[in-house]
Amino acid sequence: AQKITQTQPGMFVQEKEAVTLDCTYDTSDPSYGLFWYKQPSSGEMIFLIYQGSYDQQNATEGRYSLNFQKARKSANLVISASQLGDSAMYFCAMIPPLSGGYQKVTFGIGTKLQVIP
Amino acid sequence: DAGVIQSPRHEVTEMGQEVTLRCKPISGHNSLFWYRQTMMRGLELLIYFNNNVPIDDSGMPEDRFSAKMPNASFSTLKIQPSEPRDSAVYFCASLGGTEAFFGQGTRLTVV
Repeated sequence: AQKITQTQPGMFVQEKEAVTLDCTYDTSDPSYGLFWYKQPSSGEMIFLIYQGSYDQQNATEGRYSLNFQKARKSANLVISASQLGDSAMYFCAMIPPLSGGYQKVTFGIGTKLQVIP
Repeated sequence: DAGVIQSPRHEVTEMGQEVTLRCKPISGHNSLFWYRQTMMRGLELLIYFNNNVPIDDSGMPEDRFSAKMPNASFSTLKIQPSEPRDSAVYFCASLGGTEAFFGQGTRLTVV
């Protein structure tokens, strides 16, 4: 079984500063994928970034980067140059590899980020 | 691709009525998930399909809930009869390889 832990229920960051949102995971599978999603107050779930367990480099997408430390089983999301529009809930999620012909997504409980002007 | 499409976006119904939520996944994605989100319980996985076959429905709260995926491009989640405690946002998500996208959700209110 896999598990995702997000230990920061809420975070504040000053506009234009960088912020790191923590995510640790637990799995016995050697192959897996990690996702981050943003959920603004409007409610939609927005895909941000993906990291594969065998990827050699940390994933980056614009201002989002993933600090992937496989030995520590952590996949922290780094948002650089925070903007007011970054205020939202952020969810970390994991998928195991295709095994038995199916995949299942496991979500953390989320971190609420508030960007302060 | 237009992404994952859910309908309706909002549904208000009376207790006891049947409710059907619909989802069109992204073409080519082979897994589909139904989630329910509430303030109290957060995101709950209800059921997921792989290649149109239900794999795990252990998250379905009770027999009033049922889900089908008759083909690769369509899935439904049905609640019958609906109860006020079913009020939530219901998300459909489709997964293919390294992509996992959500629909915009259906906000269900049962009065």
